[in-house]
Amino acid sequence: DVKVTQSSRYLVKRTGEKVFLECVQDMDHENMFWYRQDPGLGLRLIYFSYDVKMKEKGDIPEGYSVSREKKERFSLILESASTNQTSMYLCASSWGGRGGELFFGEGSRLTVL
Amino acid sequence: AQSVTQLGSHVSVSEGALVLLRCNYSSSVPPYLFWYVQYPNQGLQLLLKYTSAATLVKGINGFEAEFKKSETSFHLTKPSAHMSDAAEYFCAVRGASKIIFGSGTRLSIRP
Repeated sequence: DVKVTQSSRYLVKRTGEKVFLECVQDMDHENMFWYRQDPGLGLRLIYFSYDVKMKEKGDIPEGYSVSREKKERFSLILESASTNQTSMYLCASSWGGRGGELFFGEGSRLTVL
Repeated sequence: AQSVTQLGSHVSVSEGALVLLRCNYSSSVPPYLFWYVQYPNQGLQLLLKYTSAATLVKGINGFEAEFKKSETSFHLTKPSAHMSDAAEYFCAVRGASKIIFGSGTRLSIRP
């Protein structure tokens, strides 16, 4: 089975802190994605990556950056956390090609105080 | 560009009744369409997907969806609801590159 592992299920951070969310997949997928999920808004794409060292902005990239140094790992970075970044963050991966479905991790719930 | 609209943020049905969750999409290229389910405190898992083969797609747990190009719809159905179907359901469309999700529909099942 495909496994997408997010390093932390729950995090509590203070405003201004730097936050790292880590995601690892074990199926050699080319594509990796970061979404945030908020009630009533569904999932919104933050960043995605089609290859190592590649990144593309999604719909809401402001306040975030990403890193993909190895194929299996895709990190989301909040340089200076703010309260409006309190949310559920979901990482996903997929095979290359448009027909490939996303495989999701269990999510990281971040609270910024 | 592509977008997804899910009609109804909350749907409630009785156990044993028909489940119908609505999804309309727009896409500038022939779309690939997906339905995902999310149980509390979990990530999303794939129910079914449409990738330009058969227009009626069968998925897991007795769900199915029909792609209707003329109506730009991809509604999810299940003939008989079970208590274990209570969850949030997301429709998604993949155009040229990104996968875009709808805002979700929470399905409740009444005993």
